This record gives sequence, structure tokens and C-alpha cells, in this order.
Amino acid sequence: DAGITQSPRHKVTETGTPVTLRCHQTENHRYMYWYRQDPGHGLRLIHYSYGVKDTDKGEVSDGYSVSRSKTEDFLLTLESATSSQTSVYFCAISASRENYEQYFGPGTRLTVT
Amino acid sequence: QKEVEQNSGPLSVPEGAIASLNCTYSDRGSQSFFWYRQYSGKSPELIMFIYSNGDKEDGRFTAQLNKASQYVSLLIRDSQPSDSATYLCAAAGGSQGNLIFGKGTKLSVKP
Repeated sequence: DAGITQSPRHKVTETGTPVTLRCHQTENHRYMYWYRQDPGHGLRLIHYSYGVKDTDKGEVSDGYSVSRSKTEDFLLTLESATSSQTSVYFCAISASRENYEQYFGPGTRLTVT
Repeated sequence: QKEVEQNSGPLSVPEGAIASLNCTYSDRGSQSFFWYRQYSGKSPELIMFIYSNGDKEDGRFTAQLNKASQYVSLLIRDSQPSDSATYLCAAAGGSQGNLIFGKGTKLSVKP
């Protein structure tokens, strides 16, 4: 998985609780992305980062926030988890703006009950 | 709305045959295209990318791009049961290199 880890790998949480997912990379890549993958929807971009403290919204950002205080770490927070946020979450990294190749982490399966 | 369309399948081919996976995209400004393979319960794995019109070959895989028709394809020669997976097509769009993904085509290679 190209030096990308995600934690936790599985999580069950209750509606209304905050949840933070972590993505850690050892490739020193500038770009990092958070996606969610749901049956019938494919991969959808939640948020992305183009550098330390530089982040922007993706297609499905409502209910999510992100932070990137170090090159290697990109955190995704569900501020108040809802059942609609039950999904598999993938982090991806990319080396540069000119190189669009993205490499994915192993994923986190989140269940909100 | 920028979109990438794929036939969801399943596409079933016999072992040793050529599997042909197709993808169309809506954004004429897209310049780069990617094929990912995703096994059940695993993360997407980049297997091919193509930037220029024409064919690009890598082992048993050939990616084909026709920008005029906004069409991308992936050919898998000598298909093996281990090729059974979902194949995701993606197009690079947006100023920050964001990828737009299709929903994937499920390929089944029968022994």
C-alpha cells in the first residue's frame, strides 16, 4: 500500500459521537485525499490536502472536517456521526500536481449504529 | 457535473480470453486516465495510466485512449482467475489533480 497506513481499520460507533480517522504516509507526498466508497456510488472525494495546513472540500464534505499539521498525517473527523456515514473510508496520496497518480491506503470500515 | 461512466457488469470471460473493459468520460478537459483494480474487501490498486491518445501496453494489460470520442478502455489478455476483481476507471479533473471515478466494472474470469 505504498507506505500508507490507516487507523483504525475497523470501528463501530454510535450516532452523535465524534470520530477521527487517521492516515499516515511515509512517502513524503504533498497531496493527500480522503474518499468514501459506498455500493452504487463508487469512490467519492470528501476532502483533500495540497500541503501542510492547506485543505479543501471535495464532492461530499458535509459533516466532515480534516486537518493536516504534518506532511505525513491527514486526519478526517466526523463531527457528529450519522448512520449515513457508515462506509469504507480510503486515504490516498499523490506526489505532485503534475503527477495525478494516486495510491490508496488499506481503508477503514466505519459502522455508525 | 463531471462524470465517468462504466458498465457495472458483471463481465464474465473464460480463462485465457481477452477481457475488454470500457469507460467514457464527460469532461473534455481531462488529460490523464487511470485504471485501478480492486479485489473484494481490499483497496484500489493502480494498474495502468494513460495520458496520450492511442495504446499503452504493460504486460498483459493494454490501455487505450481516444480523446475525440472521450473513451478509455482496458484490455486484459490471457485472462486468469486471479484477474477477477472490480476495475475502476478514473479521469483527472480539477485544478488540484482530483480524480473522478467511475463506479467500476466487475470482472469474473471462469476457469
